[in-house]
Amino acid sequence: GAVVSQHPSWVICKSGTSVKIECRSLDFQATTMFWYRQFPKQSLMLMATSNEGSKATYEQGVEKDKFLINHASLTLSTLTVTSAHPEDSSFYICSARGDSGRALGETQYFGPGTRLLVL
Amino acid sequence: QKEVEQDPGPLSVPEGAIVSLNCTYSNSAFQYFMWYRQYSRKGPELLMYTYSSGNKEDGRFTAQVDKSSKYISLFIRDSQPSDSATYLCAMSVGYGQNFVFGPGTRLSVLP
Repeated sequence: GAVVSQHPSWVICKSGTSVKIECRSLDFQATTMFWYRQFPKQSLMLMATSNEGSKATYEQGVEKDKFLINHASLTLSTLTVTSAHPEDSSFYICSARGDSGRALGETQYFGPGTRLLVL
Repeated sequence: QKEVEQDPGPLSVPEGAIVSLNCTYSNSAFQYFMWYRQYSRKGPELLMYTYSSGNKEDGRFTAQVDKSSKYISLFIRDSQPSDSATYLCAMSVGYGQNFVFGPGTRLSVLP
């Protein structure tokens, strides 16, 4: 099946610093990538949807200036948490959807997630 | 009423049991239905994908969609301890549309 990677898998940072998380589709071209966050024992919360080459669409309540998303190529999207604070500590998961080929166009393939801890 | 509802569990069953996981939804426009499995501290993994109503079988897993009742199910036969995870249903109204996820059901299969 289609493979999506995320890097780093976990990160600890000081309050006020910025953290960049990468999401890559390894064997298919992802025209759309999604960023989710998940708190312990809770379901996925969609943060934003990004299409290659265009600005991300953010869900209501998600600060676009705090969570910067760049989808520069068909295989890479990045999420930057700017001026991170302890309340940003969470599990961040990306997913990717392709148009054709091995990746079904109507489903999403998830990365392994990035655990962020802000001290 | 939430758009997609799912019993959060936890659901505990003995090894070898048949497990039934369910989701109900309110939007009759949903046409694509997915089941994902998520192990603790890992990303969700796609298990089953169905379009419109009907059944789909893959090994020990069977997915059913009843659009008239707005109800989908995932059955796991001969459940194993390795099936212990959270199961998320997801659905969308059409190609290229965003997914709506259920809150997930935590399953524990006891040896």
